[in-house]
Amino acid sequence: QSALTQPASVSGSPGQSITFSCTGTSSDVGGYNDVSWYQQHAGKAPKLIIYDVSNRPSGVSNRFSASKSGNTASLTISGLQAEDEADYYCSSYTSSSTRVFGRGTKLTVL
Amino acid sequence: EVQLVESGGGLVQPGGSLRLSCVASEFTFSSYWMSWVRQAPGKGLEWVAKIKQDGSEKYYVDSVKGRFTISRDNAKNSLYLQMNSLRAEDTAVYYCTRNIFFDYWGQGTLVTVSS
Repeated sequence: QSALTQPASVSGSPGQSITFSCTGTSSDVGGYNDVSWYQQHAGKAPKLIIYDVSNRPSGVSNRFSASKSGNTASLTISGLQAEDEADYYCSSYTSSSTRVFGRGTKLTVL
Repeated sequence: EVQLVESGGGLVQPGGSLRLSCVASEFTFSSYWMSWVRQAPGKGLEWVAKIKQDGSEKYYVDSVKGRFTISRDNAKNSLYLQMNSLRAEDTAVYYCTRNIFFDYWGQGTLVTVSS
């Protein structure tokens, strides 16, 4: 049950598009269309922003989009805004019927 | 609006026990898988355990197997986490979450394991 691999930090300027990666194995990310993404602002509970690889829950901005290729999932934020500054985590179902998170990526809006 | 309210956290000595509770409201609790997810201070998220709608299936992260037990009472719309043989590395905020992909989260309850 090793954590998924995410870059520790990324940064971007307002208006830019930015992409986060989340790399696992064929036993998790690559094996199932069950990858989700979460946004966590400092001191707050996480919020679901993507489920089942690329689906957005109701109320989540369409500036958030996601996809998967092989063992790597990706989250893209377009039209970056100051309010997007947060930690972002990916999660996947695993072959052991458990779930695993990535270590998280800290997004800084310059 | 869906609500998940955790309770039961606190300070406990290494080797001690604690029982966390989560009360759910504004949705049909018995229709959803439920999970516990934790976050150590300054660290990332870690999935801990999940339980099927009727309690017939339970799964755990390796680090808590044999020490933690997840359970639920659908009549009381409540989820529980019995934590035994607690270790310093179990110190974290514990979140109650709904569904297999954690679409709703509680505010969390802090568990501190220290002498």
